[in-house]
Amino acid sequence: IAGITQAPTSQILAAGRRMTLRCTQDMRHNAMYWYRQDLGLGLRLIHYSNTAGTTGKGEVPDGYSVSRANTDDFPLTLASAVPSQTSVYFCASSDATHGQFFGPGTRLTVL
Amino acid sequence: GDSVTQMEGPVTLSEEACLTINCTYTATGYPSLFWYVQYPGEGLQLLLKATKADDKGSNKGFEATYRKETTSFHLEKGSVQVSDSAVYFCALSDTSNSGYALNFGKGTSLLVTP
Repeated sequence: IAGITQAPTSQILAAGRRMTLRCTQDMRHNAMYWYRQDLGLGLRLIHYSNTAGTTGKGEVPDGYSVSRANTDDFPLTLASAVPSQTSVYFCASSDATHGQFFGPGTRLTVL
Repeated sequence: GDSVTQMEGPVTLSEEACLTINCTYTATGYPSLFWYVQYPGEGLQLLLKATKADDKGSNKGFEATYRKETTSFHLEKGSVQVSDSAVYFCALSDTSNSGYALNFGKGTSLLVTP
């Protein structure tokens, strides 16, 4: 059982480029999340999805979009990357009783 | 909205010392409380949790008690090891959100020296 996988592991991106971060879970969790982690700021919620077909905005959604076509996948798209989106991005999933499970993260650098 | 405040680090301890990392919360409802640990270069792992007042979560020698009267969830360990060096995050389930999204503290870095 892999749990949650994220791809790519790291990426350097030119400003203005479009980028999709991939996230896949095999635990059949209904809820999934995207966070960004920045030094001194902890983790901040970007978007979430309570179940396939629904999404919601978190604390810092601007510049990001998500989709949830099925239970397993929850991609995060940066339509036009900016340097302030340089961060480590974590995908997570959860069920009602066991808390959240996190992927290994994607380190993104926008130049 | 709901929020978490945890003590700032870094915290440096000698092996076998006692550890306390303070965490307090603000919530309008009755959130569940969590401690996550992040080892260098890795994602976050759930360390322990408590879902209601007076619950004690425990795992790997770490403990935390959900104190509603002081709105606290302090992380404790009686004897730390070098392998405990990591960043520790306190979190609560945001009762204003749908689903089970978490609000995290800013993290406390712990370094345990031999």
